[in-house]
Formats: sequence, structure tokens, C-alpha cells
Amino acid sequence: GAVVSQHPSRVICKSGTSVKIECRSLDFQATTMFWYRQFPKQSLMLMATSNEGSKATYEQGVEKDKFLINHASLTLSTLTVTSAHPEDSSFYICSARMRDRGVSATNEKLFFGSGTQLSVL
Amino acid sequence: DQQVKQNSPSLSVQEGRISILNCDYTNSMFDYFLWYKKYPAEGPTFLISISSIKDKNEDGRFTVFLNKSAKHLSLHIVPSQPGDSAVYFCAASYTGFQKLVFGTGTRLLVSP
Repeated sequence: GAVVSQHPSRVICKSGTSVKIECRSLDFQATTMFWYRQFPKQSLMLMATSNEGSKATYEQGVEKDKFLINHASLTLSTLTVTSAHPEDSSFYICSARMRDRGVSATNEKLFFGSGTQLSVL
Repeated sequence: DQQVKQNSPSLSVQEGRISILNCDYTNSMFDYFLWYKKYPAEGPTFLISISSIKDKNEDGRFTVFLNKSAKHLSLHIVPSQPGDSAVYFCAASYTGFQKLVFGTGTRLLVSP
């Protein structure tokens, strides 16, 4: 099956520093990538949707300047948590939608990375 | 506002028995539902889906049932196997909506 590689899997950083998380589709082109955040015992919450070559669309309540998303190619999207604080500590996970010849790709063609556990001290 | 709810955080079942995982939703616009399975240190993987035009979809040991009037769906695994032990997420979407709305997950433990 399709593989999405997400790095790093775990990161610990000091408050005030920035952290970059990479999400790569290894064997397919991803027209759209999604970034989620999950707090303990809560559901995966969508943060933003990014389409290759265009600006990301952020969900309500998600700070654009804090969570910078770059989707420079059809196989790579990055999420940078700028000036991280302890409240940003969470599990971040990306997903990539496979390019589909059809009118719209179904959600079945959505593949997830393995996630990044961010701990901000 | 939790639009997709999985009220059971965990479920324990013996090998060979049936596992039933439940999911409720509140948004009547949802017309497409999916189940994902997640092992530790891995991302969720697609398991099975159902469209609102159906009330049942079956794939091997996995069957998803949809009750639109009750806004409820369930995933049945029979027979359950130890390798099924994982966290199961219910997710919902609707036509034209790119995004998935996830439940909180149910951790299934199948013991030998």
C-alpha cells in the first residue's frame, strides 16, 4: 500500500524554539495533505489542509503564524511549530490524499503518517 | 462540539468472539463513514467504509452497520483475533467535503 513517512517521530524542545515536522508521500503524488493534532483521550482534530503550490487553509482557532505549513511539492509538506510553548505539546499527524484520476478522490485514498509526539519543556 | 463520538474508550474480547465497536454522530449532513485501525507508533490505516445509501457493508471478518435514523454506526469483527488489538477510529464526512471528522477512538484488546 501507499506509504506516508513522517519525521521526526518524537521531539523534545525548549519553550520558545521552533520545530519542523516533515510529511512525505513515498510512492505516490499527494494532491492534498492534512495536518491533525491529537491531545490525550481526544479525537484527531484537523488543523489545516494544504494543497500543493497554494496556501494552506486553516481550521477555526488554529493560528496561522504559529503553525506554518509549506507544501512545496506533490510529495512533501512541512509543519513548523514556531515559538513552541508547553501547551503546544501534542501528537501531530499528517495524512496525504492520493492523486486520483476521478473527479474527486475518496477518503479511502487517504494515507496517514505515523505521527510526531511533540513535548515542549 | 464533538460531532463524532465513540463512547467506549476500551473494549476487551476473547479470541474467536465477536467485537462490536460503536460510533454515534450528530451532524445529519454526514453521508460517508469510515473506520480506521491504528497500531502503536503507526498512523491510522483505512479498514472499511459505508455510504449512507447502504445500511451494511461487509469485508471478510469486518462488517459495518449504519442506522441513519439513530445516527449510529457499528463495526463488527467476527471472529476476533489477537492481531485485531488496536485503536479503532470512526470517521465521518459528506459529499463535497474534503475533511474527515474523527471520533476519539476505542482501544480493542483481543486476548487469546
